Amino acid sequence: SQTIHQWPATLVQPVGSPLSLECTVEGTSNPNLYWYRQAAGRGLQLLFYSVGIGQISSEVPQNLSASRPQDRQFILSSKKLLLSDSGFYLCAWTMGGGNTIYFGEGSWLTVV
Amino acid sequence: RKEVEQDPGPFNVPEGATVAFNCTYSNSASQSFFWYRQDCRKEPKLLMSVYSSGNEDGRFTAQLNRASQYISLLIRDSKLSDSATYLCVVNTAGGSGYALNFGKGTSLLVTP
Repeated sequence: SQTIHQWPATLVQPVGSPLSLECTVEGTSNPNLYWYRQAAGRGLQLLFYSVGIGQISSEVPQNLSASRPQDRQFILSSKKLLLSDSGFYLCAWTMGGGNTIYFGEGSWLTVV
Repeated sequence: RKEVEQDPGPFNVPEGATVAFNCTYSNSASQSFFWYRQDCRKEPKLLMSVYSSGNEDGRFTAQLNRASQYISLLIRDSKLSDSATYLCVVNTAGGSGYALNFGKGTSLLVTP
């Protein structure tokens, strides 16, 4: 069966520090991968999606970036965090031709 | 007008009650519909897909009304463990995970 795992689960970072969240999917090949952010009291916001290695699409302008160095690995990064980057970050995947989405456990980021 | 709208609640119901949530969507071309459950500080998890003919899974019944552009979730015989936020998800483009639109969720609290 397919599983998705992301880490770290929780982190507290100072303003201006870098960020790296990592996500891996097991049990499937060539998944579509996504990074979402869920801010308090708000819905899920799609940040990035990827349909293949090295292929990244950004949905919103921001100081975050994403990379997909391997088929089942998706990384969310920032060179300098802002207070407004605080939130719950979720990695997710779908089958290439499917639209049922499955989420990782999430990463709570607090920028102080 | 938002793509997907839900009553945020909270819905406070006693154990054993029946409760229903509605979700409206704006794009008449939407093709796929889902209900997700999200526990506090956890990732959303698929509860059930919503089919045109309606579908049932134990105490949960989902229905789709294309003419009025809404989907519903009915929970019978509510349990304490049903307390969670329920997210409505609509796909506006067939087979494309990046076209998923999420409602902000409806909060349910089942009390003893």
